[in-house]
Amino acid sequence: EVQLVESGGGLVQPGGSLRLSCAASGFTFSSYWMSWVRQAPGKGLEWVANIKQDGSEKYYVDSVKGRFTISRDNAKNSLYLQMNSLRAEDTAVYYCAREVSGYPRDFDYWGQGTLVTVSS
Amino acid sequence: DVVMTQSPLSLPVTLGQPASISCRSSQSLVYSDGNTYLNWFQQRPGQSPRRLIYKVSNRDSGVPDRFSGSGSGTDFTLKISRVEAEDVGVYYCMQGTHWPGTFGQGTKVEIK
Repeated sequence: EVQLVESGGGLVQPGGSLRLSCAASGFTFSSYWMSWVRQAPGKGLEWVANIKQDGSEKYYVDSVKGRFTISRDNAKNSLYLQMNSLRAEDTAVYYCAREVSGYPRDFDYWGQGTLVTVSS
Repeated sequence: DVVMTQSPLSLPVTLGQPASISCRSSQSLVYSDGNTYLNWFQQRPGQSPRRLIYKVSNRDSGVPDRFSGSGSGTDFTLKISRVEAEDVGVYYCMQGTHWPGTFGQGTKVEIK
């Protein structure tokens, strides 16, 4: 059974940093593109970043470029999102999602999410 | 980015009755390989999204056959033949044909 378990969310002040983690199991992690998708409170879904199987390609939504960094450790079956210079508008539940392929886009499995709150 | 427009945004339904959600894209979703990358996701209250339908009309494993997807080009529909209590939640369409992939605003299905 595919499982994705996020952790690392919490309350952080504007301008602060946070590192999210996603532990994957039940599939060959190193064979899949992986993504982070977020959902602001009461809002819809927004793709944030993704990373190729070997980490050689990474892509970001414009609003987080230069502030967020996606990475992975295939030996640990883990995905990460380093978030710096956080803003109030980054407040959201962040989901780790497995991609069917990097492009076209398709997310077939999602984690339960971790809440990030940016507030003073 | 391609804009995905869902309607209605709120859908009260009587148990056992059908429901239909429309999703329209601002551009054709036919990809160069001939496939159309239009998916539907269900998000039950307090849960994460779950993919129900991929490439317009293919049901994911474990998805009840009361759910069906149809459409082509820019117009797509998700139908629930007979709504059950467990179907309450928000439904999102998502296009994967055009980078970076975009979601509709969501349609909230509730029981009357």
